[in-house]
Amino acid sequence: QVQLVESGGGLVKPGGSLRLSCAASGFIFGDFYMSWIRQAPGKGLEWLSYISSGSTSIYYADSVKGRFTISRDNARNSLYLQMNSLRAEDTAVYYCARSMGSADSWGQGTLVTVSS
Amino acid sequence: DIQMTQSPSSVSASVGDRVTITCRASQGISTWLAWYQQKPGEAPKLLIYSASSLQSGVPSRFSGSGSGTDFTLTISSLQSEDFALYYCQQYNNWPWTFGQGTKVEIK
Repeated sequence: QVQLVESGGGLVKPGGSLRLSCAASGFIFGDFYMSWIRQAPGKGLEWLSYISSGSTSIYYADSVKGRFTISRDNARNSLYLQMNSLRAEDTAVYYCARSMGSADSWGQGTLVTVSS
Repeated sequence: DIQMTQSPSSVSASVGDRVTITCRASQGISTWLAWYQQKPGEAPKLLIYSASSLQSGVPSRFSGSGSGTDFTLTISSLQSEDFALYYCQQYNNWPWTFGQGTKVEIK
C-alpha cells in the first residue's frame, strides 16, 4: 500500500533552516507529482508547493516563494523541502502528499516549530 | 488567488441524518474540486475528486456535485465515524486553495 513518511521536523529559531524529507513506498514514485501541504496549529490547510514527476514543473505559494525549495530524488523514492529564513508563522505540521491536483495519499506529517 | 468559501462552518447532526456542505469558489473552476475529511490528529483523507468522483475505498454515502463556482458534499446517512472536519480544495489554478473547513459535530 502507499506509504509516505515525513521526517526532519523540530524546533528551530527564527531565521533558521530545516530540511524535511518524505520517504515513499508502495507505488512507482517517479510516476507521480508530489506536494508539500501544511497546517498551522488549529488552522486550515495551505498547499505550499508541488513538483512534477521529472522535476520539470515546480510551483510555490507566495508565502514560501524564495525561502523554500522543493526537490525529489526518484532513485531514492524521496521528496524534500528545504526551508530557509524560517518565521514564526511557518510553525505548522508539514505533510507530503501524492498529488495530481487532488492529494490522494498523505503522510502522517512532521511538526515544525519556529520559536526563539 | 481563488478563494474557497465553505458553509456552514459547523453543523450539528445525528447518526442517520443527511448532511450537506457547500463550497463556493470566487471564480469558475470547472469541476477541478476535491473534498477531504480530517479527524483530530490525523492527516486529511481524500473523499471526492473532480467534483463528483468517489475516491477508491470511500463509502458510497459520500457524494459530490457541482461545477463552475458552486459545489456540494453530501453524506446521505451520517455514521458515527463521519464526525470530522471537511475541506474543499480547488485545483483549477495555482495556487491550489482550500476552504476554511466545516466541522460536523454530534447533535
